[in-house]
Amino acid sequence: EAQLVESGGGLEQPGGSLRLSCEAFGFSLRTYSMNWVRQAPGKGLEWVSGISSSSTTKWYADSVKGRFTVSRDNAKNSLYLQMNSVRAEDTAVYYCAGRGDYYYHMDVWGKGTTVTVSS
Amino acid sequence: EIVLTQSPGTLSLSPGERATLSCRASQSVSSSYLAWYQQKPGQAPRLLIYAASNRATGIPDRFSGSGSGTDFTLTISRLEPEDFAVYYCQQYGNSPLFIFGPGTKVDIK
Repeated sequence: EAQLVESGGGLEQPGGSLRLSCEAFGFSLRTYSMNWVRQAPGKGLEWVSGISSSSTTKWYADSVKGRFTVSRDNAKNSLYLQMNSVRAEDTAVYYCAGRGDYYYHMDVWGKGTTVTVSS
Repeated sequence: EIVLTQSPGTLSLSPGERATLSCRASQSVSSSYLAWYQQKPGQAPRLLIYAASNRATGIPDRFSGSGSGTDFTLTISRLEPEDFAVYYCQQYGNSPLFIFGPGTKVDIK
């Protein structure tokens, strides 16, 4: 069964850093463009960042541009999100989600990892 | 930037009833770029419909999508107990890459 498993969430102080990971099991990430989507407590879904299957192209929401960096290691079947200068408003459940190249929807999702930014 | 508006915010219905959820875009979007997701409490979103009207793998045929241009609809023909959840529409674009609507909560009347 294809699944994504996120890790790396936790409690961090404002201004600190976190690195989220997402590992794929049961399928290869090589043909998937990958994304991070977050959901603040009691709120809706917000797309955060994306990366093409070959890492050629990276995309960011304005709210995280310059602070977050997305990367992947296809040999390790993994996706990462380096979160620097975190703010209280970055508090959310972070999901990794994949879409096949040339598709415009995300058809495989992890269960999420929780990030809390608080002093 | 395109804005997606979903209505109603909450839909209170009984099992067996028909649910009609609306997603309206602030400007015309390609049907290929419009998807619907279901999210239950404490769970990740699940893809229901892609390209406006195509059911994702394993999605029951009581779920259907339609629409074009700026107006899209998700219909659940007969609500089952497991269908009570929040539903999001999503549009693929340039910047940001994906935009989600605010969601419609379908709850039990």
